[in-house]
Amino acid sequence: EDKVVQSPLSLVVHEGDTVTLNCSYEVTNFRSLLWYKQEKKAPTFLFMLTSSGIEKKSGRLSSILDKKELSSILNITATQTGDSAIYLCAVEPNAGNNRKLIWGLGTSLGVNP
Amino acid sequence: DTEVTQTPKHLVMGMTNKKSLKCEQHMGHRAMYWYKQKAKKPPELMFVYSYEKLSINESVPSRFSPECPNSSLLNLHLHALQPEDSALYLCASSPTGIRVDTQYFGPGTRLTVL
Repeated sequence: EDKVVQSPLSLVVHEGDTVTLNCSYEVTNFRSLLWYKQEKKAPTFLFMLTSSGIEKKSGRLSSILDKKELSSILNITATQTGDSAIYLCAVEPNAGNNRKLIWGLGTSLGVNP
Repeated sequence: DTEVTQTPKHLVMGMTNKKSLKCEQHMGHRAMYWYKQKAKKPPELMFVYSYEKLSINESVPSRFSPECPNSSLLNLHLHALQPEDSALYLCASSPTGIRVDTQYFGPGTRLTVL
């Protein structure tokens, strides 16, 4: 059965800290892995990682895909209170026209001032 | 226009009511999705429309009825819902009808069934 597991489930840090969020997956025929940030409402897309794009960076956020270990990490440096959110990892299997993402449960990040 | 809009933002309905949720995007995206999200859970896929045709129905009860009148609009008709159907209903769209590139989510409709 395809699954995505995120860790930790939750953590609280102080402003300025660096955090690393983990996502591991077991899917049949991997196509891509996506990271989303969800605050109060809709998830906001952060990164998509594929076999041809295993490292992405945007400002203080960066993500790496390890296809050998079937995992990805999301790094946030110099955290700010605005980074407080749930971070969701999702994997897209390579399954023809199926557009269903396999979602992890998310990591709840709290950043204290 | 680079956003997905959803109306209403909040909806409270009784179990005998009929209501509809609306989703709209003007990005030219050809795939549109309905998700249901309960508290502290990831989004749960309900339906996918690709090029205005229903492509995926994740065994959703018939009290939820999707409709795609055109490539920019997606509706979810609700009838005889149960209290356990209370959740955040998210609409999303993605550029192509063949695969998920990225999904752009709307702000959601918070539904409460009494």
